[in-house]
Amino acid sequence: KAGVTQTPRYLIKTRGQQVTLSCSPISGHRSVSWYQQTPGQGLQFLFEYFSETQRNKGNFPGRFSGRQFSNSRSEMNVSTLELGDSALYLCASSLPAAVNNEQFFGPGTRLTVL
Amino acid sequence: AQSVTQPDIHITVSEGASLELRCNYSYGATPYLFWYVQSPGQGLQLLLKYFSGDTLVQGIKGFEAEFKRSQSSFNLRKPSVHWSDAAEYFCAVGAFGGGGNKLTFGTGTQLKVEL
Repeated sequence: KAGVTQTPRYLIKTRGQQVTLSCSPISGHRSVSWYQQTPGQGLQFLFEYFSETQRNKGNFPGRFSGRQFSNSRSEMNVSTLELGDSALYLCASSLPAAVNNEQFFGPGTRLTVL
Repeated sequence: AQSVTQPDIHITVSEGASLELRCNYSYGATPYLFWYVQSPGQGLQLLLKYFSGDTLVQGIKGFEAEFKRSQSSFNLRKPSVHWSDAAEYFCAVGAFGGGGNKLTFGTGTQLKVEL
C-alpha cells in the first residue's frame, strides 16, 4: 500500500507570495492533518480535515487555510508569506475511527521563504 | 490542554549501550501516547503506540516503552543501540477534540550514537 505523498518536496517563495501544498493520503484514510515543523517552535498542529470538513484547528493565523477533496486529497494554502513561514510542512493521514488516531506521515514539503 | 515534555534535547550513547529517552505528558483523560522517529530530511515514522491495556508496549526496531500513569511518563527504551538509530525522537499525545485527531508533540530528543 502506498504511503502518504506530498508535493512538491521543496519550494522556494518570496515574502508576500502565496503557496499551495498538496497531500495524498493512504488509500482508505479519510482524515488528513497538517503540521508545521520549525527549529524554534517544533512540531505544531495546523488543522485536520475529515470528509471535506475542517474538524480541528490549531492556533495559526487565518493566512493558513486548507481544504479536502472528495477523494480525501488535501491542500493547504498560505497567503502573504512571511519569513517565519519557512518550515517543513508535514501531512498525516489516518483512519476515521475515533478509537484509533494513529497517524501516518508523509515526507513533508520544505518551504523556504526569502 | 495536553502537553508533552522531553527533558533531554540531546543524548549521546555508544553503540551497543542501552538507551532511555524520557517523556512526560499532561492530559486530563486516558492518553493515547506515541513515539515517532525522524531521520534528517524525512517525515515521521511511528515506533510504537499506547492506547490501553499492557503498560509495556513493544515497537519496531527493537524499541519498547512503558506507560506509568502515576508518573505521567512514557519513556522509550532500547537495550542495545545501533549506529542507524541516530535520529530525532518525538513523543506525542493524541487527543480527540470534537471527534477529530490532533497530536501534541514534545520538542524532541536528538540521539547521537558514537561508534
